Amino acid sequence: ILNVEQSPQSLHVQEGDSTNFTCSFPSSNFYALHWYRWETAKSPEALFVMTLNGDEKKKGRISATLNTKEGYSYLYIKGSQPEDSATYLCAPNQAGTALIFGKGTTLSVSS
Amino acid sequence: NAGVMQNPRHLVRRRGQEARLRCSPMKGHSHVYWYRQLPEEGLKFMVYLQKENIIDESGMPKERFSAEFPKEGPSILRIQQVVRGDSAAYFCASSPLEGRGYGYTFGSGTRLTVV
Repeated sequence: ILNVEQSPQSLHVQEGDSTNFTCSFPSSNFYALHWYRWETAKSPEALFVMTLNGDEKKKGRISATLNTKEGYSYLYIKGSQPEDSATYLCAPNQAGTALIFGKGTTLSVSS
Repeated sequence: NAGVMQNPRHLVRRRGQEARLRCSPMKGHSHVYWYRQLPEEGLKFMVYLQKENIIDESGMPKERFSAEFPKEGPSILRIQQVVRGDSAAYFCASSPLEGRGYGYTFGSGTRLTVV
C-alpha cells in the first residue's frame, strides 16, 4: 500500500487569500496522480488527473503541478472563495492498481 | 446519464446480521472500486473489481468481508456478522479504464450503522 502524505491537515483562510497544499508520494513505479475535491455530505469529485513529470493543470482558479522524480504535487487556489471550502484529496497509483488516497487537506474559507 | 448508484443510502444492522451494499457503475464503466471512510479517517481502499474478476482485494479485512461484480447486475459488498466497528460510510467508484487518464466517479455512499 502506497504511503501518501498531505499537508497541511487543515487550513483556514480569508476570502480572497491564495493558498496551496502539498501531496507527497513514493516516486518509484509512478503511474498517475489524481486530485479530488470532497464537500461535506457529498461525494468526492475529480479535479485533475496528472501523469507526466512537469504536468501543470488548471481549472478556473485552481491549478496543480506534478514532480514525479521527487514524488510531490502541489494544488493551488487563487483568490479563495467560501465555495472552495472542502477537503482536497490526492491519490497516486501504480500501474494496474487502485487509487490510494491521502487523508486530505480540509480548507475553510471565511467571508 | 446516471452516475454511480449506490443503495441503500443508509443501512442499520444489529450485531451479527449481514449487510449487503450495492453499487451500479456508470454506463460504460467496467472498473469498480470500494472504499471505506471511518470516523476521523480518510478514504481507505478495500477492493478493486472488474466484471467477474477481483483485481486487488488487499484492503479487505480477511474475514467476514467479500465483494463481487457479476457479469450482470451491480457490484455487491457483503459484510457477514457485522460488529460495531464496521459502522462507516462505504463508497463505491467506477472508471471506464484503469485510472491513469480517467478520474473515478463516486457514488453517494452507503452509511452503515451497527447497533
